[in-house]
Amino acid sequence: KQEVTQIPAALSVPEGENLVLNCSFTDSAIYNLQWFRQDPGKGLTSLLLIQSSQREQTSGRLNASLDKSSGRSTLYIAASQPGDSATYLCAVSKGTYKYIFGTGTRLKVLA
Amino acid sequence: KAGVTQTPRYLIKTRGQQVTLSCSPISGHRSVSWYQQTPGQGLQFLFEYFSETQRNKGNFPGRFSGRQFSNSRSEMNVSTLELGDSALYLCASSLEQNEQFFGPGTRLTVL
Repeated sequence: KQEVTQIPAALSVPEGENLVLNCSFTDSAIYNLQWFRQDPGKGLTSLLLIQSSQREQTSGRLNASLDKSSGRSTLYIAASQPGDSATYLCAVSKGTYKYIFGTGTRLKVLA
Repeated sequence: KAGVTQTPRYLIKTRGQQVTLSCSPISGHRSVSWYQQTPGQGLQFLFEYFSETQRNKGNFPGRFSGRQFSNSRSEMNVSTLELGDSALYLCASSLEQNEQFFGPGTRLTVL
C-alpha cells in the first residue's frame, strides 16, 4: 500500500530564504508526482507535475526533483515571499488516476 | 479557459439526509476525480470517472456514489449523512494521464 510522507509538517522562515520541502513515498512504481499548494479553506493549485521518466521540473522560483529509486521528491522554493505561505502537498499516482496525497507541509514566510 | 467549478460552495445538512454535489471540469477534460479532505484523514480519493464510467474507487462505504454525464460534468451523492461526513469535497479534472486541476471545493457540514 502506497504511503506518502511529508517532512517537516510545519515550517516558518524569514522572507528571502531558500527552502526545501520533502516528500517520501513507499512504492517507487509511480507514474506521476504532482506538487500542489493549498490556501486555507481553498482548493488545490497545481504547481508542478513530474512524470516518471523525468527527474525535475521548474517553474519560476520553484524546482521539483524526483528520485524514484529512493522514493523521494523535493520542492525547492527560491527567495521565499510572504505570498508563498500556504500548505504544500505532494501526491503520487500509479497511472490509475488514484492519487495518494501526503499530509502536507504548512509553510509560513515571515515579512 | 475556465477552471474547474463546483457547486454549491457550502452546504449544511443534518444527519440522515442525503446530499448531491456537482463538478464541471475544464473544457475538454474527460476525467473527473473526487476527494474528501478532513483535518484527521487528509485528502482521500473517493472515485474517478472517465467517459461516464467509473474507473477507480477508493475505500469509502456505498453511501458515497457518483456519476458522470455525457458532457463530462460529474455529481457525487452521499446518502444517510453522518457527522463524520463533514469535510471539504474536492473534484479534479485532467486530460489522459496528465496533470490534475482542482476546483475550489464544497464545504459540507453535517449537524
